[in-house]
Amino acid sequence: KNEVEQSPQNLTAQEGEFITINCSYSVGISALHWLQQHPGGGIVSLFMLSSGKKKHGRLIATINIQEKHSSLHITASHPRDSAVYICAVRKETSGSRLTFGEGTQLTVNP
Amino acid sequence: DTEVTQTPKHLVMGMTNKKSLKCEQHMGHRAMYWYKQKAKKPPELMFVYSYEKLSINESVPSRFSPECPNSSLLNLHLHALQPEDSALYLCASSRLGLQNQPQHFGDGTRLSIL
Repeated sequence: KNEVEQSPQNLTAQEGEFITINCSYSVGISALHWLQQHPGGGIVSLFMLSSGKKKHGRLIATINIQEKHSSLHITASHPRDSAVYICAVRKETSGSRLTFGEGTQLTVNP
Repeated sequence: DTEVTQTPKHLVMGMTNKKSLKCEQHMGHRAMYWYKQKAKKPPELMFVYSYEKLSINESVPSRFSPECPNSSLLNLHLHALQPEDSALYLCASSRLGLQNQPQHFGDGTRLSIL
């Protein structure tokens, strides 16, 4: 079983819909990252969380440390949000290493 | 635009060639990383440099040889690669000394081995 599990693996939405991507992990962590990867390959760091909630524009990320769960929400989704969203954790015992989930492929149709 | 610059963007090479991938950042980050990413898979860590010294080598074959000539540059020298080494190679950097710093990624070099 992977230490970081994401769901769903694939998600298709219509423009304007509210989107939620989930991440569960089974290890002690010092931080959780949400990353975005477009088809061209480059990865953008969206959020780094160790507790609570963060918001940037239409993106909201939450984390529940007790339940070992995080969610990424996208409000008013747009076709340009189409990308792979990756959850990654920094384990308490692993220094600077990140442990990645398998990613969620999001497609937003106009 | 990314603050971590990788060159070249694409590279096609034969199995007997020697080539190098280059990564550059000017954010003053003292940790730099090489990742390998196969299609539809998450990145896999290859190497980590901290203060220009190799701190992590994830049992990478010796045909991959990293080099960190200064705090802004990271190279990955390639020699005698195999077709299964075809992948996207990503560089990242982060600050050191403070806990939980985000990693900044480049756009990657897409490598094809003939």
